[in-house]
Amino acid sequence: NAGVTQTPKFRVLKTGQSMTLLCAQDMNHEYMYWYRQDPGMGLRLIHYSVGEGTTAKGEVPDGYNVSRLKKQNFLLGLESAAPSQTSVYFCASSLSYSGANVLTFGAGSRLTVL
Amino acid sequence: QKEVEQDPGPLSVPEGAIVSLNCTYSNSAFQYFMWYRQYSRKGPELLMYTYSSGNKEDGRFTAQVDKSSKYISLFIRDSQPSDSATYLCANAPPGAGNKLTFGGGTRVLVKP
Repeated sequence: NAGVTQTPKFRVLKTGQSMTLLCAQDMNHEYMYWYRQDPGMGLRLIHYSVGEGTTAKGEVPDGYNVSRLKKQNFLLGLESAAPSQTSVYFCASSLSYSGANVLTFGAGSRLTVL
Repeated sequence: QKEVEQDPGPLSVPEGAIVSLNCTYSNSAFQYFMWYRQYSRKGPELLMYTYSSGNKEDGRFTAQVDKSSKYISLFIRDSQPSDSATYLCANAPPGAGNKLTFGGGTRVLVKP
């Protein structure tokens, strides 16, 4: 049982290049999230999805796009990478809308934009 | 003002000591509070959660919420070197739906 799997684990981009981060979960979770983590800033929500075919903006959505074509996958895209997008990106998923919303995280994708 | 804030540390303690971690929060409404543990270069994992007030104990870990002072605390008894990690507090205030807000994390180092 893999849980939440993120690919790639590491990537180096040049300014202006594009890329897609893939998140896959095998827990049949309804909700999925993309966070970024920067030193001293904690985890900040970029975009999230409450079900297949839905997406919504989080706290820091600018410069990113997402898609949830299949329930188990949540893709994060950078159309024109900027150095400010150098960060560690975490995908998470959760089952429950009500009560304690327990998130299961992936191992992270470390992105460097030169 | 951020929803939850915590001291970044690092907090260094000898093995066997009690680790005391705190977060302050701004929204006084009834809500869930969570503690996540994150090892270096890994994703966060849930330690425990509480609802709005009181204590919750799980083995060596105790979570407390003090509504009057808007503090949430995590205590680790009999700390072990394997407890060395970054601890993140998080809350889910009403109206935020299923979106958690995280503190910046406190790095803990337990020395053998």
